[in-house]
Amino acid sequence: SQQGEEDPQALSIQEGENATMNCSYKTSINNLQWYRQNSGRGLVHLILIRSNEREKHSGRLRVTLDTSKKSSSLLITASRAADTASYFCATVNYGNNRLAFGKGNQVVVIP
Amino acid sequence: KAGVTQTPRYLIKTRGQQVTLSCSPISGHRSVSWYQQTPGQGLQFLFEYFSETQRNKGNFPGRFSGRQFSNSRSEMNVSTLELGDSALYLCASSLDPGQGSETQYFGPGTRLLVL
Repeated sequence: SQQGEEDPQALSIQEGENATMNCSYKTSINNLQWYRQNSGRGLVHLILIRSNEREKHSGRLRVTLDTSKKSSSLLITASRAADTASYFCATVNYGNNRLAFGKGNQVVVIP
Repeated sequence: KAGVTQTPRYLIKTRGQQVTLSCSPISGHRSVSWYQQTPGQGLQFLFEYFSETQRNKGNFPGRFSGRQFSNSRSEMNVSTLELGDSALYLCASSLDPGQGSETQYFGPGTRLLVL
């Protein structure tokens, strides 16, 4: 089954800076979703972008999707210490509800 | 609306035992999925239930099973526990994709430790 792969794996930035994470996948998708996880807790849904969309914004989050390159990026602008977390991308194929997750990005925002 | 709830939050079992985990979806959500998260394998899909029927299944042995009740609440069971079953088990609910919503909302998880 396909799996998203984030790059880089770990990122350490100063508060106020922007953080960018990339995700690649292998097959056609229905949509791609980004989730955040704090310290091994539940996943918090951040944003969903459909295969026919190229860019989406939600607050300080900006997600892009390039289906020709099978890749997506998540940008967090003006980062805060509370953004410290693991970020996962997950893809969904047509016809089912199964999320295929990448390995995750560890982001540390230094106050 | 209340979020997805999972019980228990923490569980310690020994090898060979069995365990049942419970998940209550967001009101109105009819699809419930289960995921296993381990440091080595990451997040892996276990199965999905919709209208009391298993609609999708991941690559896990038959020791892992689940069910869904008429009120959409779901349980998963792991029999003959192995050390490698130690993980965070996450439940997610969503509206039926046919309604155009594929966002899955996750519960806080059940952390299972097998000794």
